[in-house]
Amino acid sequence: SQQGEEDPQALSIQEGENATMNCSYKTSINNLQWYRQNSGRGLVHLILIRSNEREKHSGRLRVTLDTSKKSSSLLITASRAADTASYFCATDQNDYKLSFGAGTTVTVRA
Amino acid sequence: EAEVAQSPRYKITEKSQAVAFWCDPISGHATLYWYRQILGQGPELLVQFQDESVVDDSQLPKDRFSAERLKGVDSTLKIQPAELGDSAMYLCASNGGDSPLHFGNGTRLTVT
Repeated sequence: SQQGEEDPQALSIQEGENATMNCSYKTSINNLQWYRQNSGRGLVHLILIRSNEREKHSGRLRVTLDTSKKSSSLLITASRAADTASYFCATDQNDYKLSFGAGTTVTVRA
Repeated sequence: EAEVAQSPRYKITEKSQAVAFWCDPISGHATLYWYRQILGQGPELLVQFQDESVVDDSQLPKDRFSAERLKGVDSTLKIQPAELGDSAMYLCASNGGDSPLHFGNGTRLTVT
């Protein structure tokens, strides 16, 4: 079963704009991770945020975590065509087994 | 950068036939995972190995699926007999300790 749910399911933006997607989950977690998947390829890890952290940055990525609301957001700033992909949140419930959401498909238009 | 290797990249099989997928994790990674990803959905864990031992196979349909990692290195996932509903991407991933997962590019299975 999938613990995380991403919102929106799909997002289309112009190059240079920011993209924001959200993830909600149901039970307490040890950490939450975001992965990217290009069409027909495997998933690539982007960023990990632990349950005691509220915000984390990596390059053009910014992740927030609100454990009281059981939600996280991923912000991609100054988007590029190469950012076109599906983005998945995954939760680790203290057992090193990740539960993935259904993903947000992001299309960046040139 | 080291990668998780999977083969074949694509597999088309008829229902009721047997099919097998192979995965070679990153060297030194003790934990290996097999995930199934149906088109438009997120990956779902089928089986998790720690070295050669199965840690979790609660979501593996054991009447038709089997997985092994005999020497604690590479792994094989088998389906026999394949059913139409098995059409999906089968992803292998590995990690060491509690580090993030490294995924292979998967095997795309089509059952006709």
